[in-house]
Amino acid sequence: DIQMTQSPSSLSASVGDRVTITCRASQGITNSLIWLQQKPGKAPKSLIYAASSLQSGVPSKFSGSGSGTDFTLTISSLQPEDFGTYYCLQYKSYPFTFGPGTKVDIK
Amino acid sequence: EVQLLESGGGLVQPGGSLRLSCAASGFTFSNSAMSWVRQAPGKGLEWVSAFSGTGAYYADSVKGRFTISRDNSKNTLYLQMNSLRAEDTALYYCAKITDYWGQGTLVTVSS
Repeated sequence: DIQMTQSPSSLSASVGDRVTITCRASQGITNSLIWLQQKPGKAPKSLIYAASSLQSGVPSKFSGSGSGTDFTLTISSLQPEDFGTYYCLQYKSYPFTFGPGTKVDIK
Repeated sequence: EVQLLESGGGLVQPGGSLRLSCAASGFTFSNSAMSWVRQAPGKGLEWVSAFSGTGAYYADSVKGRFTISRDNSKNTLYLQMNSLRAEDTALYYCAKITDYWGQGTLVTVSS
């Protein structure tokens, strides 16, 4: 099975900050990676698919990059509504696997 | 508008069974690989099962106990859960993983 790791596990940043979250796969997954946002008590929401493609309706402040084993989610200018937990998910091969999540707080 | 509406959750005793349903609308369900994902209270997301054009797939934690199926004529995805354990307690989401997620249905396994 492909293992996914994320860093950091949590972060606290100020409004307007540029925030970067990384995700690493235990083996190459080409670009078969999704980034999800989950707010407390809500269902996950897809932000980025195929590592760098922005989901329809998602603000352009979110961007994804990477291929192979190393991936990055960037929020260009953090806003109060961006709090929550961010997960990566590989869908290169079954079983699909999630990263453990990165909790983002607003300072 | 895309909708994924899960149902069938509830309280069940250890060893019992439940069948979850997910009614889909607003996209071409028959062409879509669909998954079930769960989230135990206070924990992260765990992929459970998928039904794609190449077959059915399961996490090791549910293999042999859960069965995924679909009825494309009804745009509905199912998850038959047997031999339920306390550790299966979670909010179960139906998802077209790359695009759409439902709101979830809660399964509680407890005596």
